[in-house]
Amino acid sequence: TQLLEQSPQFLSIQEGENLTVYCNSSSVFSSLQWYRQEPGEGPVLLVTVVTGGEVKKLKRLTFQFGDARKDSSLHITAAQPGDTGLYLCAGAGGGGADGLTFGKGTHLIIQP
Amino acid sequence: KAGVTQTPRYLIKTRGQQVTLSCSPISGHRSVSWYQQTPGQGLQFLFEYFSETQRNKGNFPGRFSGRQFSNSRSEMNVSTLELGDSALYLCASSVSGGGYEQYFGPGTRLTVT
Repeated sequence: TQLLEQSPQFLSIQEGENLTVYCNSSSVFSSLQWYRQEPGEGPVLLVTVVTGGEVKKLKRLTFQFGDARKDSSLHITAAQPGDTGLYLCAGAGGGGADGLTFGKGTHLIIQP
Repeated sequence: KAGVTQTPRYLIKTRGQQVTLSCSPISGHRSVSWYQQTPGQGLQFLFEYFSETQRNKGNFPGRFSGRQFSNSRSEMNVSTLELGDSALYLCASSVSGGGYEQYFGPGTRLTVT
């Protein structure tokens, strides 16, 4: 069973601060996806990283896939209250045959 | 394009009853996956359907079942409900399924009393 561990589980910071959340596994994934979920809604896909060492930027969000394709990080610069939500990482198995394995998520609260 | 829709959004059932949840994927998407989300376990994969066939299955008891119709719409059924089945049930559609990018519906909040 492939497990994805996310840290921290909970994070509450002030508006304007920077933060990083992590997604780690002992297994290799063919790709890794990051989602954001707001209360009462389904997760929304933010980004997919495929290549080891890949870095993708989405405005103030920077996503990195580890060289060995076992871990990933999400860095938010100058966090805003609108960034509040549950951030989930999900790994895809080799060939996509096993579906997605989700981490339990990081609950992020940005206080104004 | 319209997004993934799920019905109903909220449901309250009694232990021992059964329930059917419905999901309409994004037009053109042939894969539908179902997940159970709880505060303790997070998002757990139930099963995936592609072209009316179950392609992958998670580690859930046989009380959880599903099917997919020729128009890609999918239903999920849970029989003999238990208190622990209370959760948010999410449906996600994808062009090809498997580990490809998935688009989630808003979920059905099931409460079992």
